[in-house]
Amino acid sequence: GDSVTQMEGPVTLSEEAFLTINCTYTATGYPSLFWYVQYPGEGLQLLLKATKADDKGSNKGFEATYRKETTSFHLEKGSVQVSDSAVYFCALSPAGGFKTIFGAGTRLFVKA
Amino acid sequence: DAGVIQSPRHEVTEMGQEVTLRCKPISGHDYLFWYRQTMMRGLELLIYFNNNVPIDDSGMPEDRFSAKMPNASFSTLKIQPSEPRDSAVYFCASSLWGDRGLGANVLTFGAGSRLTVL
Repeated sequence: GDSVTQMEGPVTLSEEAFLTINCTYTATGYPSLFWYVQYPGEGLQLLLKATKADDKGSNKGFEATYRKETTSFHLEKGSVQVSDSAVYFCALSPAGGFKTIFGAGTRLFVKA
Repeated sequence: DAGVIQSPRHEVTEMGQEVTLRCKPISGHDYLFWYRQTMMRGLELLIYFNNNVPIDDSGMPEDRFSAKMPNASFSTLKIQPSEPRDSAVYFCASSLWGDRGLGANVLTFGAGSRLTVL
């Protein structure tokens, strides 16, 4: 079945460091891909999305590119801030479907 | 819009008691999802509704769990009887079919209900 695999955390970085969180997926056809972020005590919120191959989603300095050939959707940010500390979830929604399947989440700590 | 509203935010109960979690989706959204989040299993989809009709409840762990959506603005998830292994954060999320015209099913989550069963 469809699945999402993302790198285990926690990831600890200093402020202004470069961030990469790896995400790969298994799915038939062309799913939609997402990154959601969860701050402490809150629900998940959409960070960015991409709906077809080679699409780049971006928001708040975060970017991810839909790579069909490597079935990947890695999250990147050039310079992280303390306020970026959260749990990040990679997710997919199958083509023509309504279920969203989430990865295990990666916790990010950013130190001042 | 106030977003997806869940209640209670925290619930502590004893094993064997009935638990009812409530959700008010975003007005106009036609899909509603219940997820459970635990450290061991991550985010699991329990059930989802379209226009108040349950579409897929294959994620409901056992008969002790039930969910209803009597109208477009209200849904409940009930656990009876509750067990310690049901302790988790339960999230409700909603989405709008029309958004799929953009090729993506974007979920809006509530803040969650943290359940502790002693």
